[in-house]
Amino acid sequence: AQKVTQAQTEISVVEKEDVTLDCVYETRDTTYYLFWYKQPPSGELVFLIRRNSFDEQNEISGRYSWNFQKSTSSFNFTITASQVVDSAVYFCALSEANSGYALNFGKGTSLLVTP
Amino acid sequence: EPEVTQTPSHQVTQMGQEVILRCVPISNHLYFYWYRQILGQKVEFLVSFYNNEISEKSEIFDDQFSVERPDGSNFTLKIRSTKLEDSAMYFCALSPRDEAFFGQGTRLTVV
Repeated sequence: AQKVTQAQTEISVVEKEDVTLDCVYETRDTTYYLFWYKQPPSGELVFLIRRNSFDEQNEISGRYSWNFQKSTSSFNFTITASQVVDSAVYFCALSEANSGYALNFGKGTSLLVTP
Repeated sequence: EPEVTQTPSHQVTQMGQEVILRCVPISNHLYFYWYRQILGQKVEFLVSFYNNEISEKSEIFDDQFSVERPDGSNFTLKIRSTKLEDSAMYFCALSPRDEAFFGQGTRLTVV
């Protein structure tokens, strides 16, 4: 069973639109971490955010914001006023104490921002 | 900035050959992880290495794989007899409890 589900395979938006990438996770651990990574066409994994299970405070970083809701096991990522440079594959990942904190990735959402 | 450097960035090898992928952390870390990403697919966990021992491994990490810390700093992933399906991007990563940075990856192509 998938521990991290990113239901949106591909999203296409026009520049300046807001876009939300969904992430739903499954865990029985009380201690865990959630991550978002950006993977541009060059292939590297760019760290965006880490959240621990005890901190449900939403976070904003520039045009990026994250909404962590334990009640729905979701950790959604919103890009405000999208730009062409935001085009990439975005991965959500879960890290659990009972698996040695190895990251379990979702399948990714490919975001295309067109001018 | 990534705290770990991977070499080589790209390696082409013939099927059946052994390859060694290297990971060099900038500072001292106890936890290391290796992940694999087949082209167009998700990133998959291979193995975690803590204090010079394997602590967790996935079903992908079979007998053809091994990890070592040969000189106390470099951290290597060895594939003994490569298969075509081993073609992928391989990422080294540090502990996600400290910083969740990945190396830039090694693209392995088996021909």
